[in-house]
Amino acid sequence: DGGITQSPKYLFRKEGQNVTLSCEQNLNHDAMYWYRQDPGQGLRLIYYSQIVNDFQKGDIAEGYSVSREKKESFPLTVTSAQKNPTAFYLCASSIVRQSSRYNEQFFGPGTRLTVL
Amino acid sequence: KQEVTQIPAALSVPEGENLVLNCSFTDSAIYNLQWFRQDPGKGLTSLLLIQSSQREQTSGRLNASLDKSSGRSTLYIAASQPGDSATYLCAVSSGSARQLTFGSGTQLTVLP
Repeated sequence: DGGITQSPKYLFRKEGQNVTLSCEQNLNHDAMYWYRQDPGQGLRLIYYSQIVNDFQKGDIAEGYSVSREKKESFPLTVTSAQKNPTAFYLCASSIVRQSSRYNEQFFGPGTRLTVL
Repeated sequence: KQEVTQIPAALSVPEGENLVLNCSFTDSAIYNLQWFRQDPGKGLTSLLLIQSSQREQTSGRLNASLDKSSGRSTLYIAASQPGDSATYLCAVSSGSARQLTFGSGTQLTVLP
């Protein structure tokens, strides 16, 4: 089955801890994205990566870090510097075709992070 | 900066009714527009993608239109069913990285 997997489904963090959310895709997509969703709101972009070993900050990158060592994987670390990390985190991927305007994004099932 | 607005925020209709969800965006320089469905506690399911050069897309009972010049899109759902109950999100792709900007969604409830 081709798709995007995220783990864990639920994650609990104590104050001052760093935690890492996993995102893996076997769609052979070039680009991967991390979004945050707060209750009753749309998604906001945290980080994105269009190729391996390169990534860019989105609108709300403060307190987060990422890596892209493999095409299939784009883990997100929520650091202790993120003051309000409780949210639903969604990972997405897409093909990148610079000559085309078609870049449909596909989403994983999400990770719900709660700070205790 | 691109901003996306969805109206209404919530909508409740009886089963069988046809309905329209609205989406507006501030910058018409977009690559495409996507409509998604989100069930409670779940990820997003892509429903329709309209490229900037297109006017509409259809899939089953769903029809999405795009008027790029006026910064508007509509999602039309025909003969609504209780299984259509979910939050519907609109997102536009723009910028050098074609990143998506999302609206806050319309929470739809279809009553049996």
